Amino acid sequence: DGGITQSPKYLFRKEGQNVTLSCEQNLNHDAMYWYRQDPGQGLRLIYYSQIVNDFQKGDIAEGYSVSREKKESFPLTVTSAQKNPTAFYLCASSIWGSDKETQYFGPGTRLLVL
Amino acid sequence: QQQVKQSPQSLIVQKGGISIINCAYENTAFDYFPWYQQFPGKGPALLIAIRPDVSEKKEGRFTISFNKSAKQFSLHIMDSQPGDSATYFCAASTSQETSGSRLTFGEGTQLTVNP
Repeated sequence: DGGITQSPKYLFRKEGQNVTLSCEQNLNHDAMYWYRQDPGQGLRLIYYSQIVNDFQKGDIAEGYSVSREKKESFPLTVTSAQKNPTAFYLCASSIWGSDKETQYFGPGTRLLVL
Repeated sequence: QQQVKQSPQSLIVQKGGISIINCAYENTAFDYFPWYQQFPGKGPALLIAIRPDVSEKKEGRFTISFNKSAKQFSLHIMDSQPGDSATYFCAASTSQETSGSRLTFGEGTQLTVNP
């Protein structure tokens, strides 16, 4: 059963703590993305990766970091520098080719600050 | 130039009615316009998409109308059903990206279909 999995579903962060959100896909997609969703707002791009060991900043990368060591994995770390981390985080992936624009989303991780 | 503006922010329609959501863009390099549907607590799912070489695309009760000269596109949901109640996002991207694509999303429209 192919798809994108994100874990955990809920994550709690203490002040000054770094937390890592997991994103795994078994769709054999080349590109992966991280978005942040706040209530009443659209999705904003944090980071994206087109190939392994390469990634680019999106529109709101400050306070976040990523890695792409494997094609199927693209973890996101929310660092202590991100002062307002409470949001719904969505991971997505897309294929390279004629249908490359279609992004498929995971179920999301809701991050809350204690 | 990268913005996609979506309206209305919220929409309430009666069962069987037509729901219309509009989006406008500035970047003329955009050449792919998808609509995503999102239920509470879930990730968005692709609903329907259009490229600027056609003015309309229909899939079941969902239709995208595209006006290239006005740089606008809209989603029409015919015979709206309570199960259509969700948040809808328009988006746009350009094929100038070398791999994958950066989607620019609208702000979203929360649709409620009353029974």
